[in-house]
Amino acid sequence: GAGVSQSPRYKVAKRGQDVALRCDPISGHVSLFWYQQALGQGPEFLTYFQNEAQLDKSGLPSDRFFAERPEGSVSTLKIQRTQQEDSAVYLCASSLGGGGGNYNEQFFGPGTRLTVL
Amino acid sequence: AQSVTQLGSHVSVSEGALVLLRCNYSSSVPPYLFWYVQYPNQGLQLLLKYTSAATLVKGINGFEAEFKKSETSFHLTKPSAHMSDAAEYFCAVSTSGTYKYIFGTGTRLKVLA
Repeated sequence: GAGVSQSPRYKVAKRGQDVALRCDPISGHVSLFWYQQALGQGPEFLTYFQNEAQLDKSGLPSDRFFAERPEGSVSTLKIQRTQQEDSAVYLCASSLGGGGGNYNEQFFGPGTRLTVL
Repeated sequence: AQSVTQLGSHVSVSEGALVLLRCNYSSSVPPYLFWYVQYPNQGLQLLLKYTSAATLVKGINGFEAEFKKSETSFHLTKPSAHMSDAAEYFCAVSTSGTYKYIFGTGTRLKVLA
């Protein structure tokens, strides 16, 4: 299919381990977003890329969280020294255009469920 | 700044009954509004969106929503619930000047046979 894909779908990590979550956006989509969805909550914005530029990382909860999109396509969200409060579903979304507006519907991937023990 | 409030974290309806899921928003500029559905262990699927055209928006699977500026509401309705509608529903707001979606906390819909 031509949708947003994420891998792995499930990740279990021991507290203190580093993890890397991958997102493959829809081909040609300029914008890429990461959201964190805690259990029983709505998704919360983490960071935004326009092509390879990270234009907004205001939602990253700590400096243990790092995201990159080096070639303007695939993105990786890395969490260092994981803690139990990092347990959540991490959603990736992409949109065709840059910035906001009517034409920038976000398409979501299935998410990666991270469990930190 | 924008915000979204979804009243009722859990809603139960009988199969064939009206579905009404409530969403109120706050925005200092004209909003774009969205309803997404999330099935277990799946991502978010767009049901419908309001982007300043018609105030009554029709979406997939028989859902529709009406934008009411005076009430700052964007409630989701479906005339007759099906068992397959059981899922979690999220309302979200954005604006033309931003790219972030601000989501509500979600409403879990249960459909009773």
